[in-house]
Amino acid sequence: EVQLVESGGGLVQPGGSLRLSCAASGFTFSSYWMSWVRQAPGKGLEWVANIKQDGSEKYYVDSVKGRFTISRDNAKNSLYLQMNSLRAEDTAVYYCARGGVAVAADYFDYWGQGTLVTVSS
Amino acid sequence: EIVLTQSPATLSLSPGERATLSCRASQSVSSYLAWYQQKPGQAPRLLIYDASNRATGIPARFSGSGSGTDFTLTISSLEPEDFAVYYCQQRSNWPPVITFGQGTRLEIK
Repeated sequence: EVQLVESGGGLVQPGGSLRLSCAASGFTFSSYWMSWVRQAPGKGLEWVANIKQDGSEKYYVDSVKGRFTISRDNAKNSLYLQMNSLRAEDTAVYYCARGGVAVAADYFDYWGQGTLVTVSS
Repeated sequence: EIVLTQSPATLSLSPGERATLSCRASQSVSSYLAWYQQKPGQAPRLLIYDASNRATGIPARFSGSGSGTDFTLTISSLEPEDFAVYYCQQRSNWPPVITFGQGTRLEIK
């Protein structure tokens, strides 16, 4: 059974940092593109970033470029999102999602349950 | 940047009725469009990919159609568990950007 379990969310002050983790199991993690998708309270979905199987390619939505860094550790079946210079508008539930195998931008067939990040003083 | 516009924002129907949800792209996305269902407190679930292909385990009452800029998700006969928010999503090969529509809330009338 495919499972994605996020952790690391919490309350952080504006300008602060947070690192999210996603533990994957039930599939060959190293074979898939992986993404982070977020959802602000009461709002829609927003793709944040994705990373290629070997970590050699990474793409970001414009609003987080230069502040967020996506990474992965295939030996640990884990995906990460380092978030720096956090702003109030980054407040959201952050989901880890599995992409495809062939292309960077793809559909998401499995999602974690999400971890809440709240940026507030 | 490709913008996806979903309509209506809210759709009020009764169980057993047919639901038709629309997603319009600001420029052609070919058939690279997916639909997701999200219930309160849950992660989204993939329903349809490449405009018309049902994802694994999705009931046959869900169908997708369209290409280019206009897409439709149809639920042939609503079950109580179908009342949720539905999102469309496009993927573009270059730049590899992923965008979602703003969602359609399907509520019980």
